[in-house]
Amino acid sequence: EVQLVESGGDLVQPGGSLKLSCAASGFTFSTYAMSWVRQAPGKGLEWVTGLGNLGVNTYYADSVRGRFTISRDNSKNTLYLQMNSLRVEDTAVYYCAKEIVPGALNGMDVWGQGTTVTVSS
Amino acid sequence: QSVLTQPPSASGSPGQRVSISCSGGSSNIGSHTVNWYQQVPGTAPKLLIYRNNQRPSGVPDRFSGSKSGTSASLAISGLQSEDEAYYYCAAWDDSLTGRVFGGGTKLTVL
Repeated sequence: EVQLVESGGDLVQPGGSLKLSCAASGFTFSTYAMSWVRQAPGKGLEWVTGLGNLGVNTYYADSVRGRFTISRDNSKNTLYLQMNSLRVEDTAVYYCAKEIVPGALNGMDVWGQGTTVTVSS
Repeated sequence: QSVLTQPPSASGSPGQRVSISCSGGSSNIGSHTVNWYQQVPGTAPKLLIYRNNQRPSGVPDRFSGSKSGTSASLAISGLQSEDEAYYYCAAWDDSLTGRVFGGGTKLTVL
C-alpha cells in the first residue's frame, strides 16, 4: 500500500524551530518529487515547498523562503521540513504529498494524514 | 488573496451537472497544466484531475477537467451527495517559481 506518514508536529513558541518528517512506503521514493502543503485553521490549501526526486532542485513559497528548508533521504524513504523562525501565521496542518508523475510536478496523488503545527506563546 | 481565482461556492441537485471555474494568468495556467483536488473537511485532499484533463486511477469519469488560455474548469456530472466537498485548482507559477492554489470552492449538493 502506498502510504505517507507525517510526524513531528507540536506546539512551539514564536521564533522557535521544528522539524517535520514524512515516512514513505509502498513506492519507489527516489523516483518522485515531493511537496509540503499546509492548511491553516478554516483556510484553504497553501503549497509550502517542493523538492525534486534527487533532492537537488528545491522550490519555496515566498511566505517561507529563507525560514524553511526541505530535504530528503532517499536511503530512508523520508522527506523532511526544517522550520525556523516560526511565526503565529505558520500555524496549520502540514501535509506531505507525492507527485503523480515520476520526476515531474504534475499533481499530488498521495497525501499523508497531516501533522499539526501550532505556533503560540 | 489567491493567485488563482475560484468562486467561493457552487451548488447543484443530485443528478445535475455543475462546473467550477479557475482563473489565472499567463505565468501559471497560461503556461502550465492544471490540477484539481477534492477535500472533505477533516480529511486530506484527493487528486481528481492532473495535466488539465487526466484522471488518476480510481477517480470516476463523472469528473472532467478542461483548460482554455488562462482559465480552467472542473465539471462534475451526475452529482451525488458524496460530492459535497471543497474543490481546489492548482498550477505552477513561473513568476513565483512555485505551485499556487485557488482559494477553493465549496460545493453543496442540495
